[in-house]
Amino acid sequence: EPEVTQTPSHQVTQMGQEVILRCVPISNHLYFYWYRQILGQKVEFLVSFYNNEISEKSEIFDDQFSVERPDGSNFTLKIRSTKLEDSAMYFCASGTTDTQYFGPGTRLTVL
Amino acid sequence: GENVEQHPSTLSVQEGDSAVIKCTYSDSASNYFPWYKQELGKRPQLIIDIRSNVGEKKDQRIAVTLNKTAKHFSLHITETQPEDSAVYFCAASGNTGKLIFGQGTTLQVKP
Repeated sequence: EPEVTQTPSHQVTQMGQEVILRCVPISNHLYFYWYRQILGQKVEFLVSFYNNEISEKSEIFDDQFSVERPDGSNFTLKIRSTKLEDSAMYFCASGTTDTQYFGPGTRLTVL
Repeated sequence: GENVEQHPSTLSVQEGDSAVIKCTYSDSASNYFPWYKQELGKRPQLIIDIRSNVGEKKDQRIAVTLNKTAKHFSLHITETQPEDSAVYFCAASGNTGKLIFGQGTTLQVKP
């Protein structure tokens, strides 16, 4: 059964550095999402992406964040200048307008 | 704004007993209600979902009910087993696909 994959599984970075989190969605899905989960808290929506553009973004998704689908398979989340409070698990999801399947996540630690 | 409230935050049951988790949502435009199970350090895994045109759905030991008038939906797990122990999240979404998650319920099934 196909699954969403994410790399890296864990990323440690210094405050102010840029990070790129990568996702490979399930191949026939058209909708892509990023969520984050701060340790011990609920999952929070960041952004949705369809037809090569952002369809919706949350208040969390400010100018420091960007998403890209650089080729037919990858979907990336870039954080330009990381802050301590960006430390969280970042999940990519793909699917339809409702049913979404999550990747295993990237744990981002900002020091 | 959009919000999903989930109760209880923790639930402990004996193996074989039933477990019920309840959620309420605020956005009357919500029409899709999935439930995710998250084991420690793992991805949220879709276990069952229900759409607004259905009042109840069952899949083996798991069932979900939806009351659109009251804006609440519930997850029922019967004949619980130790492997059901996990954090369970409810979520709601409308036509945009953005999932709004509840705070999560930590279910412990004691053998």
